[in-house]
Amino acid sequence: QSALTQPPSASGSPGQSVTISCTGTSEDVGAYNYVSWYQQHPGKAPKLIIFEVTKRPSGVPGRFSGSKSGNTASLTVSGLQPEDEADYYCSSYAGSNNLGMFGGGTKLTVL
Amino acid sequence: QVKLQQSGPGLVKPSQTLSLICDISGDSVSSYSAAWNWIRQSPSRGLEWLGRTYYRTRWYNDYAASVKSRIIINSDTSANQFSLQLTSVTPEDSALYFCARGVLGLYDFWGQGTLVTVSS
Repeated sequence: QSALTQPPSASGSPGQSVTISCTGTSEDVGAYNYVSWYQQHPGKAPKLIIFEVTKRPSGVPGRFSGSKSGNTASLTVSGLQPEDEADYYCSSYAGSNNLGMFGGGTKLTVL
Repeated sequence: QVKLQQSGPGLVKPSQTLSLICDISGDSVSSYSAAWNWIRQSPSRGLEWLGRTYYRTRWYNDYAASVKSRIIINSDTSANQFSLQLTSVTPEDSALYFCARGVLGLYDFWGQGTLVTVSS
């Protein structure tokens, strides 16, 4: 059982927007602005797409955005494209005694 | 651009030791701003952080409680690489293993992954 809770699946049609949630606690997501999101295509390594809740690494399209409210972080993919179909994982810093927290992953299907 | 290249066997016998190496290019294993991690992925456990090594005037290691008694992560500054050893493996240790650079839950560069199967 993962420490961070994500819905197992999400879907949307091309051009639509979809939001994926990542729920933690006041000791991880709620305590720090160190939430990251990763995109993973089959057979590939995860790719960082959002860090520090809202920031995008260079090269990541602007249709990916992140936010946080309380103990829940969210990833929004706007203007869905077929290549966005992938698994998405969140992670959060939770202090020096609880390193490496990940969500269980959400499979995004582009209909 | 940082690149991490993994190597090591894909098949390990039960009770033996799993050993993987991660070669670093574009950064230094003794960088003061980085930490070097091992993460595995399996259908039953999802993404699981195993441990990390990093240098801040001396070497530090942190390990996940789930593997703490069986794991060693070492660094080799001359080869600019770090390694994973997981002892006394069982079939439950079968997974896709990744090395990754990162701190504070942010893993910005990943190795290509090594599928490890524990089987006799």
